[in-house]
Amino acid sequence: QKEVEQNSGPLSVPEGAIASLNCTYSDRGSQSFFWYRQYSGKSPELIMFIYSNGDKEDGRFTAQLNKASQYVSLLIRDSQPSDSATYLCAVRSYMSNDAGNKLTFGGGTRVLVKP
Amino acid sequence: EAGVAQSPRYKIIEKRQSVAFWCNPISGHATLYWYQQILGQGPKLLIQFQNNGVVDDSQLPKDRFSAERLKGVDSTLKIQPAKLEDSAVYLCASSPTSGRYNEQFFGPGTRLTVL
Repeated sequence: QKEVEQNSGPLSVPEGAIASLNCTYSDRGSQSFFWYRQYSGKSPELIMFIYSNGDKEDGRFTAQLNKASQYVSLLIRDSQPSDSATYLCAVRSYMSNDAGNKLTFGGGTRVLVKP
Repeated sequence: EAGVAQSPRYKIIEKRQSVAFWCNPISGHATLYWYQQILGQGPKLLIQFQNNGVVDDSQLPKDRFSAERLKGVDSTLKIQPAKLEDSAVYLCASSPTSGRYNEQFFGPGTRLTVL
C-alpha cells in the first residue's frame, strides 16, 4: 500500500508568520509531488507541484522536496486569514500502462491563520 | 473554459437504496477520475478512465460500486446497495493528456448521506 502521511493539525499560525507543512511518502518510485488547498465544503485546487529535489517558489508558497528522505514540505510565507484551509499533499505514482497520472493523497493538514 | 460539472450536489438516501452520480469533465480532457472523500480524510481514488477505458479500479468496491464512461466523455458512478459507510463526498476530476497534464481539475463534488 503506497502511503502519504501528513499531520492532521490544526496548525495555528499568527497572521504574517510562516506556516510550515510536512508530508512523507512511502513509494520511492514516486515521480511528482503536489500540494492542493481545500477550503471547507469545497473541492481541492492545485497550489503547486514539484518533481526535482530542492526548492520551488511560487509567490508566497515554496515547495521543498527531498527524495532521499522521502519528504516534501510546503511553506506559506506572510500567512493570511484567507490561507486558512486544509492542505493536501499528493504523490504521483508511475502507472505501468502509462495511462495518465495516479495521485495518492495524504489526509491533509488543517491550517488556521489567526489575525 | 467551463469546469468539471457534477450532479446532484447533495443526495440523502437510506441504506440499501441505490444512487447514481453524474460527471461531465472539461472538454477535451481524456482522463477522468472518481474519488471518495470521507470527512476528515484525503480523497481516495475509486476509478480512473482514459477515454472510455478503465486504467485503474483497484480501490473500487466492485460488489456495490460501478462506473462507466461509455462515449469517453461524461461518466456515471453508481452505488447499489448503499451502506452507512458510503457517506462521503464523491469528487470527479479530469486532466488533459498534454499541456497541463500534471494537474487534475476537480468538480464541486456530490455529498452523499446514507441514513
